[in-house]
Amino acid sequence: DIQMTQSPASLSASLGETVTIECLASEDIYSNLAWYQQKPGKSPQLLIYYANSLNDGVPSRFSGSGSGTQYSLKINSLQSEDVSIYFCQQNYDSPWTFGGGTKLELK
Amino acid sequence: EVQLVESGGGLVQPGASLKLSCVASGFTFSDYWMSWVRQTPGKTMEWIGDIKYDGSYTNYAPSLKNRFTISRDNAKSTLYLQMSNVRSEDTATYYCTRYPMGITDYFDYWGQGVMVTVSS
Repeated sequence: DIQMTQSPASLSASLGETVTIECLASEDIYSNLAWYQQKPGKSPQLLIYYANSLNDGVPSRFSGSGSGTQYSLKINSLQSEDVSIYFCQQNYDSPWTFGGGTKLELK
Repeated sequence: EVQLVESGGGLVQPGASLKLSCVASGFTFSDYWMSWVRQTPGKTMEWIGDIKYDGSYTNYAPSLKNRFTISRDNAKSTLYLQMSNVRSEDTATYYCTRYPMGITDYFDYWGQGVMVTVSS
């Protein structure tokens, strides 16, 4: 199975700040990576697919980048509603696997 | 509006069986591959498996293949997860998820989840 290592595990940031979350795959996943946001007490929602494609309705302050084994999710101008757990997921090789999650809190 | 509503969870004893259901609405269920994903109390996410739009093919995470079975009834727009010989490590919230049309890469919609607790 492809291992997905996400960092940091938790993150505290201020309103308006820019934050970056990283995801490292154990092998090349050729940009087959998705990012999800899980707000407290809710189910996950798709943010980004194929590493850098923004899902419909997702604010443009979210962006994804990366290639090979290294990927990142960037949130510009952090808003209070961005407090969530963020997960990456590889869809290059079955079984699909997820990162351990990054819990984003407000400072 | 796409909706996925899971049911059938609860407290179950180790070694028992349990069947989860997911009723879909807001889209043509028979056109889409579907999948199950679970999340442990520690928030770890695990893909369980998926099923082709017509039910003719299923694919599972190897670690769960021998105990979990995914099926669907397109006439009822319902997805199922049959769990057998459950263990304490199966304690999790189970999500019904949809793939986008024609692909099986990422999950564009998730249900609200149903909790399963395995304990004596």
